[in-house]
Amino acid sequence: TQLLEQSPQFLSIQEGENLTVYCNSSSVFSSLQWYRQEPGEGPVLLVTVVTGGEVKKLKRLTFQFGDARKDSSLHITAAQPGDTGLYLCAGVETNAGKSTFGDGTTLTVKP
Amino acid sequence: GAVVSQHPSWVICKSGTSVKIECRSLDFQATTMFWYRQFPKQSLMLMATSNEGSKATYEQGVEKDKFLINHASLTLSTLTVTSAHPEDSSFYICSARDLRGRQGDEQFFGPGTRLTVL
Repeated sequence: TQLLEQSPQFLSIQEGENLTVYCNSSSVFSSLQWYRQEPGEGPVLLVTVVTGGEVKKLKRLTFQFGDARKDSSLHITAAQPGDTGLYLCAGVETNAGKSTFGDGTTLTVKP
Repeated sequence: GAVVSQHPSWVICKSGTSVKIECRSLDFQATTMFWYRQFPKQSLMLMATSNEGSKATYEQGVEKDKFLINHASLTLSTLTVTSAHPEDSSFYICSARDLRGRQGDEQFFGPGTRLTVL
């Protein structure tokens, strides 16, 4: 059973556009991470959110954790070609000891 | 900080041979490491959780005799693919948790190992 649903699965946009990626679940997470992965490399941690309703910003990226800690979103403003990659959300259930990953969103930003 | 290395970065082997992949935490100690497998344009699939000094915990459907995991020290975990076959060809990634002053749930990933079995 897939605990984390990530959408959209694929996204192709022009440079300068805005986009939002969603990560939804019926489970409550003690924390949720967002990663970005480029082809042939391992995922790189972008952010961790732990508090319901929390908003974190990383330059043009804005991350939000749902009030109930069941969902999260990643918003990118004025996307650039360098933002191209696979974005993964990962949730950790309390006392689970391991992360559950979403299916990923493949983002392509065209110049 | 929180750097994880993997070796080798890629390997090509003949069917029937065994391949060992190393995962090291370079600047921190990791009591728990994770091994994932990833197919092209897909997400990560957890294979097993490696615990220092104890047996690994394998996910359902992952053959423990096929994928041997050894976590002999706080900085090193190894994954050995035994009697590899072409269907074992994949991108294998390890990760480790760094508990120093962090959330504790964050994982730091190695760069991955591309395995091709001929």
